[in-house]
Amino acid sequence: EAGVAQSPRYKIIEKRQSVAFWCNPISGHATLYWYQQILGQGPKLLIQFQNNGVVDDSQLPKDRFSAERLKGVDSTLKIQPAKLEDSAVYLCASSFSTGRDGYTFGSGTRLTVV
Amino acid sequence: DQQVKQNSPSLSVQEGRISILNCDYTNSMFDYFLWYKKYPAEGPTFLISISSIKDKNEDGRFTVFLNKSAKHLSLHIVPSQPGDSAVYFCAASAIASNYQLIWGAGTKLIIKP
Repeated sequence: EAGVAQSPRYKIIEKRQSVAFWCNPISGHATLYWYQQILGQGPKLLIQFQNNGVVDDSQLPKDRFSAERLKGVDSTLKIQPAKLEDSAVYLCASSFSTGRDGYTFGSGTRLTVV
Repeated sequence: DQQVKQNSPSLSVQEGRISILNCDYTNSMFDYFLWYKKYPAEGPTFLISISSIKDKNEDGRFTVFLNKSAKHLSLHIVPSQPGDSAVYFCAASAIASNYQLIWGAGTKLIIKP
């Protein structure tokens, strides 16, 4: 089966600019997650979708971050405006249902804010 | 408040020997534990998991041990191979939290030839 696709792989922007990341989960996976991983730390959940509804966005900085899942399939994560501390790898993952048996991750987008 | 802790940032092991990666947790509500492996420039990949009702799960060269009374789990890799060099993340989940994963900070394993 095809894996979780993410684009772009790398992005460099200046602070206060905006950026968007795209994710295409594994076909049939109802649950989609966006994680932020800062160097030297474990992934931090930003938002979890079940189909096209939000299950949890409690750790999403909503003043600058937004996410949507179109028709319960693809998803985009946007940052506007970006800050230096947003420099991280943004990982998308999907799971069939509850995710109890683990998620499948994409390769991530490495964002550098200068 | 770190609920899942991996206290060793890195570990170096000779090829062919046993690698032991450790993980401690504080939340007794966790009922599922997972290990992920991550290579540079790639996303984490699922390695092995264990339910809280078990104390051991084995898959080939990989074995995970769970000590609930000590709130400690470990991943054993025997024998260690060069391709095992990666960052290993411990993660935990609870049914009460919709199985959302709580992650440790990772341990970088280096296998020396």
